[in-house]
Amino acid sequence: DAGVTQSPTHLIKTRGQHVTLRCSPISGHKSVSWYQQVLGQGPQFIFQYYEKEERGRGNFPDRFSARQFPNYSSELNVNALLLGDSALYLCASSFPGLSGYTFGSGTRLTVV
Amino acid sequence: AQTVTQSQPEMSVQEAETVTLSCTYDTSENNYYLFWYKQPPSRQMILVIRQEAYKQQNATENRFSVNFQKAAKSFSLKISDSQLGDTAMYFCAFMVPDKLIFGTGTRLQVFP
Repeated sequence: DAGVTQSPTHLIKTRGQHVTLRCSPISGHKSVSWYQQVLGQGPQFIFQYYEKEERGRGNFPDRFSARQFPNYSSELNVNALLLGDSALYLCASSFPGLSGYTFGSGTRLTVV
Repeated sequence: AQTVTQSQPEMSVQEAETVTLSCTYDTSENNYYLFWYKQPPSRQMILVIRQEAYKQQNATENRFSVNFQKAAKSFSLKISDSQLGDTAMYFCAFMVPDKLIFGTGTRLQVFP
């Protein structure tokens, strides 16, 4: 079975641009979460979606948005990119009623 | 505020020896899950071990075990018979509804 897949693996953007990151959960998992991991730190929670509805949002500006599609895949969008948005963006999926998340390998975003 | 503290930025251990990574956390929740995740250079977060806060018995997964002290809010990870493949960043995390809260990580180096 495929794990959590994220695309692209690496991305370089210029300040002020917009970026879209994509995530496909494990088959059968209906919940998708997004995390930002800045170099040298632990991941920080951005969003959680379950059954296409936002269930949680971390302390991130409105430039960050996300959505979940009927097939449970998800997109994370970041507008007006700043240098400080450079990070590894991790997607995780989970199955209802089970504790714990399975993570993808992440998208490395560099803003120049 | 809900926080996770990992006070050891770096640890090293010789192959086949035992090492313990420390973690303390702060939460007002009574029901939660605790995790240790491993992040090798491949960047993917890999679940090492999970502990339910309502269970007094410490979790064990092969060479990995935890010492969970709920009153002290302490959750340490013991790795026995360390292997070169255990070299990675290790993150302690606890789960409250809909999100994981991570510590800053401990970099573990296993040397021959």
